Formats: sequence, C-alpha cells, structure tokens
Amino acid sequence: DTGVSQDPRHKITKRGQNVTFRCDPISEHNRLYWYRQTLGQGPEFLTYFQNEAQLEKSRLLSDRFSAERPKGSFSTLEIQRTEQGDSAMYLCASSLRDRLSNTGELFFGEGSRLTVL
Amino acid sequence: AQTVTQSQPEMSVQEAETVTLSCTYDTSESNYYLFWYKQPPSRQMILVIRQEAYKQQNATENRFSVNFQKAAKSFSLKISDSQLGDTAMYFCAFMPNSGYALNFGKGTSLLVTP
Repeated sequence: DTGVSQDPRHKITKRGQNVTFRCDPISEHNRLYWYRQTLGQGPEFLTYFQNEAQLEKSRLLSDRFSAERPKGSFSTLEIQRTEQGDSAMYLCASSLRDRLSNTGELFFGEGSRLTVL
Repeated sequence: AQTVTQSQPEMSVQEAETVTLSCTYDTSESNYYLFWYKQPPSRQMILVIRQEAYKQQNATENRFSVNFQKAAKSFSLKISDSQLGDTAMYFCAFMPNSGYALNFGKGTSLLVTP
C-alpha cells in the first residue's frame, strides 16, 4: 500500500457544474477525513467517517457538498452547483484508531485542486 | 472550541543553522495530542513530530525537537542543522484525546537558504 491517493489531482470547471473527488485511504485505516485548504491557510476540517458512517460534518460543509464512504473503503466528495468560492485544495486523510492504536496521526493524500471559473 | 495560533507567517534560516517555529493553542481539554506537519511545495503533508500532553518529556525526532509548555499552552518546533529540503510550510495542529479531527494553525512558511 502506497498511502492515501486522491483523484483527480486537478479539476477546472465552470461555475454551476458538479464535480466529484475520490479518495482511497490506506487499506487498514478505519477513519477517513476531508479537509479544505485555501492559499495561505491551514487545512479546515470538513467531515469525517468511521468505517462507512459519517460521524461529523463541519458547518463549512454547505448543502451543496455531500460525502460518502460506501462499505468503509474509498470515499467521494461531491460539490454541486460549484461557486468560485469553492476553489481550493481538497485534502483527504486517513487514520487508524482502535484500542491498540491511538496515536492520532493522520496520513494525508496529495490533494485535489479545484478551480472554478 | 480549540484554536491554534502560529504567529510567524514566514521565516528564513541559513543551511546548517537552527530555527524555532512557534505555536500556541487554546483548549479546556486536559488530554490531547499536538503535532507538527510539514507540507513541501506541491507535495503532500507529512508528520514531523507529535507530543502527548500527558508526557512531560519533550518529543524529539532526529534534527527535530519540540518545547512543550503545557501551562503556557505553547508548543514550539526546533529544527537543528537546517537542510535545503526542510523548505516547506509547517503547520501546528491539535487534537483532543476525546476528539476525531486535527485543528490546524495557519502555518509558517520556512525557507532554508544556502
């Protein structure tokens, strides 16, 4: 396993279009996170999954955003009716947290950069 | 709510010198983790070092060490013998032991010059 992978790496779209990003976490990791990062800022938490259950969503995640993690494996983040303010890097991360492993460390992918024209 | 503050947007250091990046945080939690992550230009974020709040001993990883002052809620990163490959954005992050997600600071851009 080579780590967290994200696809596509770059996406340019016109305002109003829908886009979908995919994240494949490290295979044994039970937690998966989506973050958004804009230029010059730290990553901001959007949502996270424990296995297939979406347990928390940030207020940053408007109704136009939806995330899924079917079967607790890969995850998708869809943005509907994109706006120019959605332009950002979308980062996926995964972690393993159970009775034996509680380091709190997140492993990040390289991100999917979205540009909305 | 927890907040993480990095007061140095940019720093520069010469190769082989030592540099310290500062971070403060605000929380009412007693058990938590603190992290420094490195994000090289156009590359993924990787963990540099982590500290459990219940441990008094400061964490070290080769050339990287932290100065953790729990009462002052301060968590600085010292990079010794700086190398050109250390050029990156450095983010301080906080996670409560009872929590699930990292809260990041705004980052410090470090440039290592020859």
